[in-house]
Amino acid sequence: GAGVSQSPSNKVTEKGKDVELRCDPISGHTALYWYRQSLGQGLEFLIYFQGNSAPDKSGLPSDRFSAERTGGSVSTLTIQRTQQEDSAVYLCASSPRAGVGYGYTFGSGTRLTVV
Amino acid sequence: GQQVMQIPQYQHVQEGEDFTTYCNSSTTLSNIQWYKQRPGGHPVFLIQLVKSGEVKKQKRLTFQFGEAKKNSSLHITATQTTDVGTYFCAGGGGSNYKLTFGKGTLLTVNP
Repeated sequence: GAGVSQSPSNKVTEKGKDVELRCDPISGHTALYWYRQSLGQGLEFLIYFQGNSAPDKSGLPSDRFSAERTGGSVSTLTIQRTQQEDSAVYLCASSPRAGVGYGYTFGSGTRLTVV
Repeated sequence: GQQVMQIPQYQHVQEGEDFTTYCNSSTTLSNIQWYKQRPGGHPVFLIQLVKSGEVKKQKRLTFQFGEAKKNSSLHITATQTTDVGTYFCAGGGGSNYKLTFGKGTLLTVNP
């Protein structure tokens, strides 16, 4: 696609429910990243994909968070048993490949509110 | 782990004044990137610096990378209301793929 597409744009969920966030990167971009941005804060790294594999999951806050990427394209970030502290904007970004020389193209994000 | 500190956190200027934001890393960086996030928007890539002492310009914006590759700055000359937003620096380290973002500088411009 022309840009990075994320859905849903907004999600309100009850505490304890599971949520799935979707990211459709730019076609041909092999590197995909998930970041989290809390109100007025910077971007917190969650996970990185190169193709379908996730070499670095070090940023996932707890085992309630998981992510997968299929076909080297679409990625889903799943949060199980959501907690209020999970409320944030979840941003997905892609780049042609990982490494120096490639800027990230971000999607518009999913604003998650846990009530 | 790698940390990237950015100052100031906020900056309010009158239109026409200059603006500078500074970025410092706890470790030597392989590269540094700058992003702009408009209010309600998502970060947009502005530029990347790779070489020690590198200086790049984009119209009224000047980006610098320090000689030791541990600090960087973004300077805007004669700010305009369209410059409003949060400016983030993001440093690349030894992993060569992951960017560590600073907390950003929120710039507001009074017309």
